[in-house]
Amino acid sequence: RKEVEQDPGPFNVPEGATVAFNCTYSNSASQSFFWYRQDCRKEPKLLMSVYSSGNEDGRFTAQLNRASQYISLLIRDSKLSDSATYLCVVIIQGAQKLVFGQGTRLTINP
Amino acid sequence: DAMVIQNPRYQVTQFGKPVTLSCSQTLNHNVMYWYQQKSSQAPKLLFHYYDKDFNNEADTPDNFQSRRPNTSFCFLDIRSPGLGDAAMYLCATSSRGEDGQETQYFGPGTRLLVL
Repeated sequence: RKEVEQDPGPFNVPEGATVAFNCTYSNSASQSFFWYRQDCRKEPKLLMSVYSSGNEDGRFTAQLNRASQYISLLIRDSKLSDSATYLCVVIIQGAQKLVFGQGTRLTINP
Repeated sequence: DAMVIQNPRYQVTQFGKPVTLSCSQTLNHNVMYWYQQKSSQAPKLLFHYYDKDFNNEADTPDNFQSRRPNTSFCFLDIRSPGLGDAAMYLCATSSRGEDGQETQYFGPGTRLLVL
C-alpha cells in the first residue's frame, strides 16, 4: 500500500464549480500535512498547510481527519487558473521527509 | 529573490557519462532533499540530509550519489546515466520553526535528458 494515496483523477469541471480532492495516508506517525500545486513542467508550490482544526484560504478549504487518516481539499468557485496537478504531501514524525501522493490532475473548462 | 537555486535548469548528457546537478539555498534550512520526477508521476524521494546526516531511500539506485559540503549546497551525482534516468530532478529544503510548523521550498528543478 502506498504511504499517501489520492483520488486518481483526472477531474474536468466547468469554471465556477466546486471540486473536492481526497487523500489518505497510511502511517499514523504522520505529523504534518500539506497540499501542493504543480503546473506543467514546473516545480511543486505549497498551496496550503493542513491543520487539525481545518483551515481556509480564500476559495480553498483543507480538512484533516486524524482518526481516519484522511485529508481533503475543497476548491470553491473554480477559476481557469486553478488547472494544475494537486499533490497531497505528508511529513512522517522523526523521518523529516516529504512523502507525496501521486497527484490529481484538475482541468477547469470555460 | 530565489531561495532554492538549481543549476543547470536543463542538462543534456550522454548515456553512461557522469553528470552532477547542483542545488543551493539561501534559507539556512537544515534539511535538503533530492527528488526525481518523471512525466505524470509524483516526485520520488531519492535521499535527504538532516544537517550532515545522509538518509538514503531503500529503493534509490546506487547509480545516484549525493554530497552536501555545507549547509547551503547539495549535489546530486549520477555516475552512469541511463535512458531511464531522464527526468526532472527537484531539490527542496525544509525547516521547522519555533511554532513547530514546517516550511518547505522547492527549487525550479533541473530537467535531465539522456541521449
